[in-house]
Amino acid sequence: NAGVTQTPKFQVLKTGQSMTLQCAQDMNHNSMYWYRQDPGMGLRLIYYSASEGTTDKGEVPNGYNVSRLNKREFSLRLESAAPSQTSVYFCASKPPNEQFFGPGTRLTVL
Amino acid sequence: AQSVTQLGSHVSVSEGALVLLRCNYSSSVPPYLFWYVQYPNQGLQLLLKYTSAATLVKGINGFEAEFKKSETSFHLTKPSAHMSDAAEYFCAVSYNQGGKLIFGQGTELSVKP
Repeated sequence: NAGVTQTPKFQVLKTGQSMTLQCAQDMNHNSMYWYRQDPGMGLRLIYYSASEGTTDKGEVPNGYNVSRLNKREFSLRLESAAPSQTSVYFCASKPPNEQFFGPGTRLTVL
Repeated sequence: AQSVTQLGSHVSVSEGALVLLRCNYSSSVPPYLFWYVQYPNQGLQLLLKYTSAATLVKGINGFEAEFKKSETSFHLTKPSAHMSDAAEYFCAVSYNQGGKLIFGQGTELSVKP
């Protein structure tokens, strides 16, 4: 039981490049989430998926897209990376009343 | 809008001293409340949660928190700090069983020898 896994762990992009962050969970949870963490701002919700086949915007969705590929996988895509997207990205999955977090992806956009 | 406020972005205590990390939420509806801990370069780990059962909640690593509805607070305490408690702590709130979490800004705890 690996919990929530994320790939890659680290990534450096140039402005304008695209990339996809991968997330998978093996706990059979319906809900999955993507957050970004920036100093002094806590975690802010980018997108979430309440169940397979559905996605909704969170607090800071601009510049991102998501895909809920199946119940296990929820990917986050940056189509044209900007320096303001330099951050640490966390994926989470959720049974009632709790969230389990992945180890994070540290992204730098130059 | 619902919000969570953590008083103090940085708290420093001596080893063996009391740890008190403050969290207040804004809501007229009783929420579900959580404390998460994040060690350097790691993801978030659940410390404890309040889900409308006992108002004093005990968590892992000797931490506990008390839900005070009259003060809209959920402060985290530990009687005696250990060096291994140095980490960032996040308070979070959810307003229904399947709802999204709203996080506070985080409090970084330093423990001095």
